[in-house]
This record gives sequence, structure tokens and C-alpha cells, in this order.
Amino acid sequence: RKEVEQDPGPFNVPEGATVAFNCTYSNSASQSFFWYRQDCRKEPKLLMSVYSSGNEDGRFTAQLNRASQYISLLIRDSKLSDSATYLCVVNIGGTYKYIFGTGTRLKVLA
Amino acid sequence: DTAVSQTPKYLVTQMGNDKSIKCEQNLGHDTMYWYKQDSKKFLKIMFSYNNKELIINETVPNRFSPKSPDKAHLNLHINSLELGDSAVYFCASSQGAERNTQYFGPGTRLTVL
Repeated sequence: RKEVEQDPGPFNVPEGATVAFNCTYSNSASQSFFWYRQDCRKEPKLLMSVYSSGNEDGRFTAQLNRASQYISLLIRDSKLSDSATYLCVVNIGGTYKYIFGTGTRLKVLA
Repeated sequence: DTAVSQTPKYLVTQMGNDKSIKCEQNLGHDTMYWYKQDSKKFLKIMFSYNNKELIINETVPNRFSPKSPDKAHLNLHINSLELGDSAVYFCASSQGAERNTQYFGPGTRLTVL
């Protein structure tokens, strides 16, 4: 079993739709959680950190469920520019080790 | 103004050659990383340095040798290149770890022929 698992997609959604991605992690020592965005042939960039209480940044909402060991990302009112691969990232507590999921590809269609 | 820079951006070479990739960050971070992203887009950590000290070495073949001359630089030397080394190599930096954001360089696309 992979340490961090994501549905690879692609998720094809129309503009304006709401789309949600889940990510599960297997290491219970995981302490910090992030969503990164990676555009085609570009480097990953931080989209948002995920806090225990859940957090929102504009159209993006991230949730953490420690009991079930998953995190989620909700994108509301999808834009064409949201088309990218979304990477779930987990940091193992007390270490410098970040583990990336394989990413979920999103295509927002006009 | 680039926060994390890598050179070269593209590298095409023959099997068996030795090559180096350089990385520099101007963010004042104390931790730097090398990641490999293969053809299936899976991003996997290879090495991490904190204050020039190697702290993560993820079962990478010893043909790969990282070197950190100072906190702002982390280079990667690869000996005897193999076809399977073809990938995109990303350098990243952060201030400490855990809750801190990693900033990635633009990547070096290595093709071994």
C-alpha cells in the first residue's frame, strides 16, 4: 500500500462546478498536511496547508480527518485556470520527510 | 529574483556519462531537498540537507552523490548514468520542516540515451 494515495483522475468538470478530491495516508505519525498544485511541465507550488480544524482560502477548502487518516480538497466555482494536477503531501512528524501522493488531475472544461 | 534556481534546465546525455545538476536558493532557508519525478509523475524524495548536513538519504543508488557547499546550495552529481535515471529532478528548500512550505525550483529534465 502506498503511503499517500490519491485517485489519479482525470476529473473533467465544467466551469463553475464544485469538485472534491480525497487523499488517504497510512502513517499515523503524519503531522503536517498540504495540497500542492502542479501545472504541466512546471514545478509544484503550495496551494494550501491543511489544519486540524479545516481551513478555507477563497474558493478552496481543505479538511483533515485524523481518525480516518484522510484529507480533502474542495474547489468551488471551478475556473479554467484551475486545470492542473493536485498533489497531496504529508510530513512525518519530527522529520524532514515529505511524502507526495501521485496527484489528481483536474480538467475544467469551457 | 528567482527563489530556487536550478541549472541546467535540460540535460541530454549518453548512458555511462557523469553529470551534475546545480541548485541555489536565495530564501535564506536552512533545508534543501532533491526530488525525482518519473514518467508516471510520481514525486519522490531522494535527499535532504539541513544546515549542510545530510539528514535524509532515501535508498538512492550510490551513483547519486549530493553535495552542499553551503546552506544556499545543493548540487547533485550522478555517475555512470543509466536509462532509468531519465526523469525530472526538482530541488526544493524550506525553513526547517514539518509545517513549513517547500519551495521548488523549475526542475531539470534529464534524458539518458
